[in-house]
Amino acid sequence: QVQLQESGPGLVKPSETLSLTCTVSGGSISSYYWSWIRQPAGKGLEWIGRIYTSGSTNYNPSLKSRVTMSVDTSKNQFSLKLSSVTAADTAVYYCAREGYYYDSSGYHGGNFDYWGQGTLVTVSS
Amino acid sequence: QSVLTQPPSVSGAPGQRVTISCTGSSSNIGAGYDVHWYQQLPGTAPKLLIYGNSNRPSGVPDRFSGSKSGTSASLAITGLQAEDEADYYCQSYDSSLSGGVFGTGTKVTVL
Repeated sequence: QVQLQESGPGLVKPSETLSLTCTVSGGSISSYYWSWIRQPAGKGLEWIGRIYTSGSTNYNPSLKSRVTMSVDTSKNQFSLKLSSVTAADTAVYYCAREGYYYDSSGYHGGNFDYWGQGTLVTVSS
Repeated sequence: QSVLTQPPSVSGAPGQRVTISCTGSSSNIGAGYDVHWYQQLPGTAPKLLIYGNSNRPSGVPDRFSGSKSGTSASLAITGLQAEDEADYYCQSYDSSLSGGVFGTGTKVTVL
């Protein structure tokens, strides 16, 4: 059973950089897209971006200028950096695997089949 | 910034059927991209409920079903149970964002 676990500081000061790591266990990190998703308290889900095991990335345009993702296949980990944070970046941050399947019409991907438990990051001085 | 619209809340008595709509546009659902649904119980991470418009992962009861037509999708819960009280989100891919997009979320209340 694949498991994901987020780790990183729970408190970040305004204007600094938020850094989180997701460790994948129970399966290989290879050949999948891995995403970061966040959820402010009492609000909906926001996709931040994703990284493939080759290092290829896609970022949400609304955050693109501040986001950097990386992957370390030797450690089965991938990471998120979000720079110049403000209080608006306070949220629960989830890492998730993007699952896929094949049927008669070909490849289908884009669903998040495994999630970490989430980690609360608060931006405050 | 959600680009998929859901009703804020739906409710029903135990045993009833409820449906949740998810309305998108020509850059996501209308472009033919799959719709997926998630259930989020209070204080927990979302759980994949329906993938590829209408497929249930192993372990998801067949009371949950999904469909898609045009620029919209729907999640139906039949035989509503107290344990179904949760927030539900639809999700798809958006070509203008080159990434995933979520719905605004719907809170299901069991009366």
